[in-house]
Amino acid sequence: KAGVTQTPRYLIKTRGQQVTLSCSPISGHRSVSWYQQTPGQGLQFLFEYFSETQRNKGNFPGRFSGRQFSNSRSEMNVSTLELGDSALYLCASSSPGASQYFGPGTRLTVL
Amino acid sequence: KNEVEQSPQNLTAQEGEFITINCSYSVGISALHWLQQHPGGGIVSLFMLSSGKKKHGRLIATINIQEKHSSLHITASHPRDSAVYICAANTGNQFYFGTGTSLTVIP
Repeated sequence: KAGVTQTPRYLIKTRGQQVTLSCSPISGHRSVSWYQQTPGQGLQFLFEYFSETQRNKGNFPGRFSGRQFSNSRSEMNVSTLELGDSALYLCASSSPGASQYFGPGTRLTVL
Repeated sequence: KNEVEQSPQNLTAQEGEFITINCSYSVGISALHWLQQHPGGGIVSLFMLSSGKKKHGRLIATINIQEKHSSLHITASHPRDSAVYICAANTGNQFYFGTGTSLTVIP
């Protein structure tokens, strides 16, 4: 079974731009969660999608949004990028009640 | 105030030593997760616990729900165990993460 894939792996943007990151879960997994990891704040939960619905949301501003498609693939979008948005963005997929499988992450640099 | 506290922050051990990493949390949980992150960023989920104890190879995870405390033990440590270990509390609608324990096992 293929693992969780994330595209792109690396991205450089400038302040004020917007960015869209993509996550393809393991086949059969309907839950996709997104996380941000920075050296200063560590890992932080962004949101979770299940069957195309946002089920849970962390404490991030509205500039951070996401969606999930009928094939369980998910995208997250960050609008009006700030320098502090530079981070490793990780997604993870799971079946209900089971452990999560993490993707390799997208490293976003905002200049 | 951090919802999840881990100790120690850094740990260096000789190959073969028994290692313990501790995690205390202040929120109500549906599950407690232990994650392993190697240099380069990849994260692997080691355990998901809601009670008692789980074992996988040389790794053992325990949780005491009343005391809101969990431990990760590594028996017969090996240099390939060198990684950052992160504890995460799942409240059912939020994840709270510890800051991680950086483990280095010296041959």
